[in-house]
Amino acid sequence: EVQLVESGGGLVQPGGSLRLSCAASGFTFSSYEMNWVRQAPGKGLEWVSYISSSGSTIYYADSVKGRFTISRDNAKNSLYLQMNSLRAEDTAVYYCARDRSGYGASFAFDIWGQGTMVTVSS
Amino acid sequence: DIQMTQSPSSLSASVGDRVTITCQASQDISNYLNWYQQKPGKAPKLLIYDASNLETGVPSRFSGSGSGTDFTFTISSLQPEDIATYYCQQYDNLPTFGQGTRLEIK
Repeated sequence: EVQLVESGGGLVQPGGSLRLSCAASGFTFSSYEMNWVRQAPGKGLEWVSYISSSGSTIYYADSVKGRFTISRDNAKNSLYLQMNSLRAEDTAVYYCARDRSGYGASFAFDIWGQGTMVTVSS
Repeated sequence: DIQMTQSPSSLSASVGDRVTITCQASQDISNYLNWYQQKPGKAPKLLIYDASNLETGVPSRFSGSGSGTDFTFTISSLQPEDIATYYCQQYDNLPTFGQGTRLEIK
């Protein structure tokens, strides 16, 4: 079964850091571009970051640029999001999502994890 | 940034009705437009990619059309399980989503 499972969410104080992980299974992880998408409570979806299959190309939303770092370990079938200098407005469910293409970014997200909640509050 | 204006923001319809949601881009995005369904407490699900292509396994009552700046998502005959929030998403530049359309049963 094709599956993505996020972990690492929790409660963190403003200015703090958190590292999210996403474990992939059921497909050749190293062949797919990956993304993080977040959703604040009761709000819509916001794309956060993209990483190419090799890790050589990375993009960020302006709202997180300079604070968040996306990375991947293809040997471990895992995607990561290092979040620093967290703010209250970063409070959201964070989803990892697979790009459906398998050969270059299509930004159509066909497989999603269940999400992990990040709460930034004192 | 490319802005996506989705309408309506909410919609109430009866089972069997034809339902239409529109999405307008702030600039020409060709056919770089996807549609997602999100049920409460669940992750989004890709329904339509590249404006009009039905994702594998998605029922044929769902369809999409449009190009340039104006796009339409249609459910030909609303079913009870279609109750959800629907989002458009452009990817001409970095991805952005519309604000969502909450669909309810009348």
